[in-house]
Amino acid sequence: EIVLTQSPGTLSLSPGEKATLSCRTSQRIGTKYLAWYQHKPGHAPRLLIYSAFTRATGVPDRFSGSGSETDYTLTISSLEPEDFAVYYCQQYGSSLPWTFGQGTKVEIK
Amino acid sequence: QVQLQESGPGLVKPSQTLSVTCSVSGDSISSGGSYWNWIRLHPGKGLEWLGYIHGNGNTHYNPSLNSRITMSLDTSKNQFSLGLTSVTSADTAMYFCARANLEPMTRFFDYWGQGILVTVSS
Repeated sequence: EIVLTQSPGTLSLSPGEKATLSCRTSQRIGTKYLAWYQHKPGHAPRLLIYSAFTRATGVPDRFSGSGSETDYTLTISSLEPEDFAVYYCQQYGSSLPWTFGQGTKVEIK
Repeated sequence: QVQLQESGPGLVKPSQTLSVTCSVSGDSISSGGSYWNWIRLHPGKGLEWLGYIHGNGNTHYNPSLNSRITMSLDTSKNQFSLGLTSVTSADTAMYFCARANLEPMTRFFDYWGQGILVTVSS
């Protein structure tokens, strides 16, 4: 099983600040097979990024993904009030089971 | 627009079977173009992928659940279901259904339900 480790566990920031979230995989997965999701309590998780870099339909361009091999990053360039949520990375490569990181909570400072 | 909605009992007794159903609109589960998934979120923990079922009935389950899990289709209602036997408090979680496309580079979860909280308690 491929283990995904996200850091930090919690990020305390103010609106307008930049958020940098990290996801490390225990094996190389290829950039085509890494996604990021946003989750707010009581809502369905929302796909933000797939193939490590590609924004999903309707996702604002303040969200960007980068990385390769075993290290990936989600960057939110300037936090909006609606961006405070929990973020998960996920690998969906050929090696099952598909796995998620444990999440990074972005909270208002 | 594809929409998924979970339904089922919110409370299950220990050792009994958890059953949750996902109703799909905007896509046909029998079209063969997608995997239909179950994912859960434990309180205070991360997301766990439980498994998928394809429109032809093929399944793949997370080995962590051993032989406790089953998934099934009801194509007449455009629904798919999750069954989890011999539940314990460790199975208390928010259960989500989600769609993933068939093509390898698009097997991320593009549509999700809002989730259903299932509590295991006597």
